[in-house]
Amino acid sequence: QQPVQSPQAVILREGEDAVINCSSSKALYSVHWYRQKHGEAPVFLMILLKGGEQKGHDKISASFNEKKQQSSLYLTASQLSYSGTYFCANYSGGGADGLTFGKGTHLIIQP
Amino acid sequence: NAGVTQTPKFQVLKTGQSMTLQCAQDMNHNSMYWYRQDPGMGLRLIYYSASEGTTDKGEVPNGYNVSRLNKREFSLRLESAAPSQTSVYFCASSALGGAWGYTFGSGTRLTVV
Repeated sequence: QQPVQSPQAVILREGEDAVINCSSSKALYSVHWYRQKHGEAPVFLMILLKGGEQKGHDKISASFNEKKQQSSLYLTASQLSYSGTYFCANYSGGGADGLTFGKGTHLIIQP
Repeated sequence: NAGVTQTPKFQVLKTGQSMTLQCAQDMNHNSMYWYRQDPGMGLRLIYYSASEGTTDKGEVPNGYNVSRLNKREFSLRLESAAPSQTSVYFCASSALGGAWGYTFGSGTRLTVV
């Protein structure tokens, strides 16, 4: 089942913060986050394995609440380069079957 | 540069025609995947290959076939193209399935008229 992302779209001014949420109805082994710019391929940002860890990547970080099957992506002091569509993707484990992607969150950063 | 290479980048087909999308990775990854992306739908899995010699259906396999030719190459074939197969197709690879980040190819934009 496809994870549910919220919000569907966000418009920010440069320097503002954003949070993108992702929830799943089934038990997860890992949650992935990707960013896709218009006309390009998705690019891997980070993976969170079950255990509730929080990861950071420059000013982008994420958390994973295993009990609630929820993950959040945090973008602080947003830059123009952060614009794009953000996807979370779920993996339930047990083999190499593919990730299930959410429908995406469109992030627009304005000067 | 290391990565995933897809060909062609663009293709227009007439309904009923066939074609093969090619994908190759040079990162020595075990797992490879084919996704399609349609507006507002996210990425949906068509087929995947956990390792050389194995392939399995994903969420939307109807109308497609795949071949894992060797560890590097994973091709997607449309036997009789339909307008509903108009989409952007991405190939991806991973070293450890869902426990590792995916690397995507640049995509193939396919239009079926």
